[in-house]
Amino acid sequence: NAGVMQNPRHLVRRRGQEARLRCSPMKGHSHVYWYRQLPEEGLKFMVYLQKENIIDESGMPKERFSAEFPKEGPSILRIQQVVRGDSAAYFCASSPGTSGTTDTQYFGPGTRLTVL
Amino acid sequence: SQKIEQNSEALNIQEGKTATLTCNYTNYSPAYLQWYRQDPGRGPVFLLLIRENEKEKRKERLKVTFDTTLKQSLFHITASQPADSATYLCALSLYNQGGKLIFGQGTELSVKP
Repeated sequence: NAGVMQNPRHLVRRRGQEARLRCSPMKGHSHVYWYRQLPEEGLKFMVYLQKENIIDESGMPKERFSAEFPKEGPSILRIQQVVRGDSAAYFCASSPGTSGTTDTQYFGPGTRLTVL
Repeated sequence: SQKIEQNSEALNIQEGKTATLTCNYTNYSPAYLQWYRQDPGRGPVFLLLIRENEKEKRKERLKVTFDTTLKQSLFHITASQPADSATYLCALSLYNQGGKLIFGQGTELSVKP
């Protein structure tokens, strides 16, 4: 029973390039969350998605960031025109969506984005 | 303003002792509170969940208390072991916010043999 998969584990981009981070939830899980962890800071919620729907994007920066969770395939967090301040660890979590707010979230290993 | 705070300084204890970590919050009304463990370079791992109407929860050597009057949760690890060394995160979930979690900055625990 594979856990939450994220790839790539490490991503290096130059300023102005695009970064695409992928997340495959655990089998049977239909809810995906993205969090960002800046150096020396706690995890910050970014976005909550269900299949083909964005449920809550209150933590997403207004520009350059977007997320999707298509009917087929992984969830994608896309950062356009990256800047040095985007350097962080990005974690994806999934939950089954059966217990509402008390669902346990299972986290992936994270993608560490470095912007040169 | 809304805040969730954990012990900012690292906690160093001797093997076999009880580690106690604190999580305080202000201007939140959480539906429940969770504790996670995070090792360097890895994602958080769920440990325990406690609901707002529960006072205490136990799981093996772990115990969590939740005082909604004090707006505080305490996380205890009894008979601590060097393998318990990690960063521990508390997280709040609010009513009508879906599963969105609001994390504290974490407390680093080091258990010395």
